[in-house]
Amino acid sequence: DTEVTQTPKHLVMGMTNKKSLKCEQHMGHRAMYWYKQKAKKPPELMFVYSYEKLSINESVPSRFSPECPNSSLLNLHLHALQPEDSALYLCASSQERARGHEQFFGPGTRLTVL
Amino acid sequence: GESVGLHLPTLSVQEGDNSIINCAYSNSASDYFIWYKQESGKGPQFIIDIRSNMDKRQGQRVTVLLNKTVKHLSLQIAATQPGDSAVYFCAETDSGGGADGLTFGKGTHLIIQP
Repeated sequence: DTEVTQTPKHLVMGMTNKKSLKCEQHMGHRAMYWYKQKAKKPPELMFVYSYEKLSINESVPSRFSPECPNSSLLNLHLHALQPEDSALYLCASSQERARGHEQFFGPGTRLTVL
Repeated sequence: GESVGLHLPTLSVQEGDNSIINCAYSNSASDYFIWYKQESGKGPQFIIDIRSNMDKRQGQRVTVLLNKTVKHLSLQIAATQPGDSAVYFCAETDSGGGADGLTFGKGTHLIIQP
């Protein structure tokens, strides 16, 4: 299995809702990432998990809450989002946190906040 | 500003011609570079990578050139095909004390003319 899977593919939520995005990989990778991508823009790093511990939070608002239940799973919990949070949320994984390892991306979750 | 950028937002080439996509970076500590291809509605797909101790690397129909003197990276695609239509991003990480996530350039939209 050489892919990163993400669910759901699409998500529409109101500003008062609570929802979660899920990401899974079975490549034995120990580093997992969340990126946010707005339309016609490059992906921007949000969080990095290394060996199931949060190692980097790129000053992301607390309405985004990451969780890594085990080495294969990565969640992103969403609460009280704003319309400007609408974007494609990409999950990626790599062999380990050390630089120089290719990151494999999932297909993303297209999030719309009403 | 961004540490990695691109010269052209859109590149239009004839099918069968060679394509060259350019990228400039400003971080002298950058030591690992990746080119990704992103098709509409999909996550970024790895094309080829190069480390700073190399100046050229070849894959199947693709070549990446790295000029550290002028901090320039390019992706050459030989005999461009319709399936090559996508947005191409360069990305980098550095060996300094910064984040392990990737920093992406702005992206170039490659359009293949029949």
